[in-house]
Amino acid sequence: QVQLQESGPGLVKPSETLSLTCTVSGGSISGHYWSWIRQPAGKGLEWIGRINHSGSTRYNPSLKSRVTMSVDTSKNQFSLKLNSVTAADTAVYYCARDVIVAGTVWFDPWGQGTLVTVSS
Amino acid sequence: DIQMTQSPSSLSASIGDRVTITCRASQLIGSYLSWYQQKPGKAPNLLIYAASTLQSGVPSRFSGSGSGKDFTLTISSLQPGDLATYYCQQSFSIPWTFGQGTKVDIK
Repeated sequence: QVQLQESGPGLVKPSETLSLTCTVSGGSISGHYWSWIRQPAGKGLEWIGRINHSGSTRYNPSLKSRVTMSVDTSKNQFSLKLNSVTAADTAVYYCARDVIVAGTVWFDPWGQGTLVTVSS
Repeated sequence: DIQMTQSPSSLSASIGDRVTITCRASQLIGSYLSWYQQKPGKAPNLLIYAASTLQSGVPSRFSGSGSGKDFTLTISSLQPGDLATYYCQQSFSIPWTFGQGTKVDIK
């Protein structure tokens, strides 16, 4: 059974770069798309973007200018970088696998999430 | 972006009640809709995909319906473990977007 685990600093200073990694276990990173999704405290879910094993990406236009995703198939990991962060980027960040069937896309499974706080 | 609007934002119901949550898309999305359950402090968990297909392992008291712009998630008989926030999500076009959530409390 595929499991995902986010890792990275829990505190980032304003204007710096948020960096997170998602490690996939119980299955290969190849053959799937993988997404990052975030959730500010007490608020809803925002899709950040997706990447596949070959490094093909799609980003949310609202964050596109600040987001970079990458993949390391040798480690079965994919990563998120978000630069020039502000307090508005404080959120729980989730990684998830995209499941695509007949054009429909849903997220399953999800990582447990990691809280990133932007503060000096 | 496609806007997803859920109603109500919150509800309180008794054990055994039938609960209905609606999700409306800002444009036609066919059946490209999924539903998630998020319990406090946990990651969301997929309940339904393609508007009406129950994910394996999800209790049959959950059901989904709708197509086009209007969708419904129904819990046929509310159980204590259903205390959670429920989200809809469209995959008709990128960026994938979610509804704002419906918080279900137990009376």
